[in-house]
Amino acid sequence: AQKITQTQPGMFVQEKEAVTLDCTYDTSDPSYGLFWYKQPSSGEMIFLIYQGSYDQQNATEGRYSLNFQKARKSANLVISASQLGDSAMYFCPAAVGDYKLSFGAGTTVTVRA
Amino acid sequence: NAGVTQTPKFQVLKTGQSMTLQCAQDMNHEYMSWYRQDPGMGLRLIHYSVGAGITDQGEVPNGYNVSRSTTEDFPLRLLSAAPSQTSVYFCASSYRGQETQYFGPGTRLLVL
Repeated sequence: AQKITQTQPGMFVQEKEAVTLDCTYDTSDPSYGLFWYKQPSSGEMIFLIYQGSYDQQNATEGRYSLNFQKARKSANLVISASQLGDSAMYFCPAAVGDYKLSFGAGTTVTVRA
Repeated sequence: NAGVTQTPKFQVLKTGQSMTLQCAQDMNHEYMSWYRQDPGMGLRLIHYSVGAGITDQGEVPNGYNVSRSTTEDFPLRLLSAAPSQTSVYFCASSYRGQETQYFGPGTRLLVL
């Protein structure tokens, strides 16, 4: 399994502010996919955004954008204009060469009103 | 389109009992997998399948069996439940290997 590191166990952010969640991965394979999922307290896993290793541009989906720095092996998630509903656990799994996702420990985000 | 469905939502077992967790998808996805999530941790891969009739082990396969007789269904069997198998189990599917995996709602399992 690939090693995924999320160094921020928990973060607080003020409503309407932006927050950046860090994620680094460890692979020497040139072909891989990077994902971000959100897990609210209700427990379901919600897909947010995807970045392929050969994609030339950083992925964006609405208020979510992925800051992909290939040389540094990092794929940080930026959430702009935070909302109370963004309070959740966030995971950044990677799929390297095949179907298997490797997960890190996640980052808990709490949005304050 | 129901997506990925899992049953039951919650189950309590006694040590040594067996049971099957059901997973179905209606998106004609080739790839299906099972993960477990323990408190405060990310998900770990148990077993996966790249198509009907083909399964393989993931990171934590011991104590679990799977089969894939149809594209739609991918059940997970606990042969003899142990307290260490207390966890939340997620099923996921995707069209191809590195494409987005869509998760079911999860099954919360408690083994006493």
